[in-house]
Amino acid sequence: DAGITQSPRYKITETGRQVTLMCHQTWSHSYMFWYRQDLGHGLRLIYYSAAADITDKGEVPDGYVVSRSKTENFPLTLESATRSQTSVYFCASSESTLDEQFFGPGTRLTVL
Amino acid sequence: AQSVAQPEDQVNVAEGNPLTVKCTYSVSGNPYLFWYVQYPNRGLQFLLKYITGDNLVKGSYGFEAEFIKSQTSFHLKKPSALVSDSALYFCAVRDPWAGNNRKLIWGLGTSLAVNP
Repeated sequence: DAGITQSPRYKITETGRQVTLMCHQTWSHSYMFWYRQDLGHGLRLIYYSAAADITDKGEVPDGYVVSRSKTENFPLTLESATRSQTSVYFCASSESTLDEQFFGPGTRLTVL
Repeated sequence: AQSVAQPEDQVNVAEGNPLTVKCTYSVSGNPYLFWYVQYPNRGLQFLLKYITGDNLVKGSYGFEAEFIKSQTSFHLKKPSALVSDSALYFCAVRDPWAGNNRKLIWGLGTSLAVNP
């Protein structure tokens, strides 16, 4: 199916564990983004990527790692999860930075 | 500094009445402006955008927004609200002259409740 998908949709993990959230888009959009959404903070950009093998930090990158070896995939890894990383994570893509972004359904992550 | 303000955390309106969700912004250049909607437990969906041209922009689901440069505003409007419009609405702005600053600046969102 065309679009942008995220997996898993729900994840519960423990403090200190490594977690990877997956994002896949079928449009061949150049740009991909990871956001976290928390009550009172709106959407905050974690990392973004302008193309395969090109990534850059957003507002809140600490504790996260990304990679983009293929245009269609943009995984987000929490190297050692902390309770403060409990959040809803959204992946998005766009053709350019001046175009609208298309969002995935989100991953609800709980760190115990 | 670039910023977006959505001054109302929540807006309540009766079904059939007109609705307005407010957004003001601060950027150094001419802005690119966006509205998104988020239904419960869903990702954000694009509603409309202003890039250039006609200050009144029409978007999905009967929504429209008016860019008023003198007021640095981009309020979202709909002539007749539906209960199904109840959702969280986000305004976002990008300064196209911001060079390598590629990120959108997001408002904190406004929760719209349309009462039957």
